[in-house]
Amino acid sequence: GQNIDQPTEMTATEGAIVQINCTYQTSGFNGLFWYQQHAGEAPTFLSYNVLDGLEEKGRFSSFLSRSKGYSYLLLKELQMKDSASYLCALDSWGKLQFGAGTQVVVTP
Amino acid sequence: SQTIHQWPATLVQPVGSPLSLECTVEGTSNPNLYWYRQAAGRGLQLLFYSVGIGQISSEVPQNLSASRPQDRQFILSSKKLLLSDSGFYLCAWSTPRGIVSEQYFGPGTRLTVT
Repeated sequence: GQNIDQPTEMTATEGAIVQINCTYQTSGFNGLFWYQQHAGEAPTFLSYNVLDGLEEKGRFSSFLSRSKGYSYLLLKELQMKDSASYLCALDSWGKLQFGAGTQVVVTP
Repeated sequence: SQTIHQWPATLVQPVGSPLSLECTVEGTSNPNLYWYRQAAGRGLQLLFYSVGIGQISSEVPQNLSASRPQDRQFILSSKKLLLSDSGFYLCAWSTPRGIVSEQYFGPGTRLTVT
């Protein structure tokens, strides 16, 4: 199995930075994805990493270290609309296995 | 641009009744198609995926089945629903290219089995 672990919930203040960690145990995967899911809605794609290192997309960045079995999603300049669940997923030949998600609560 | 549709948006069904959920994709050809279920407060679980018409792979043994009668149509079915089938059902598509390709989700169907 891939045993994907994420913290259940994180709280941060508007304008701050939050880092959501994702750890996994797997023998191999093609890439690691991050999705955002607002309550009652479908997940929306944020970013993915294939190689080790940092991928930056505006206020969101994602990092992967295959040797450490670790990824994180970094959210900068938090806005109230960023309050959502953030899902880490491993891609194995087109099939995604998701973690349970991290609920981020942004406070004023 | 590509769009993905699912219907119905919400559904309340009694235990033992049949189920049919439909998903269609527009604006792309030969997509990979997926069915996921998200139980309350839990992560997404892959149920079925399809790489072409009539080609279905099941990921989890259960009383659900899937069919792909047309290139851009994916159907999730059950002959007799169980209480444990309640959840948020999401269809997704991707364009097979390279090693990794992102999946895009439809709006979902919220199913409550009573």
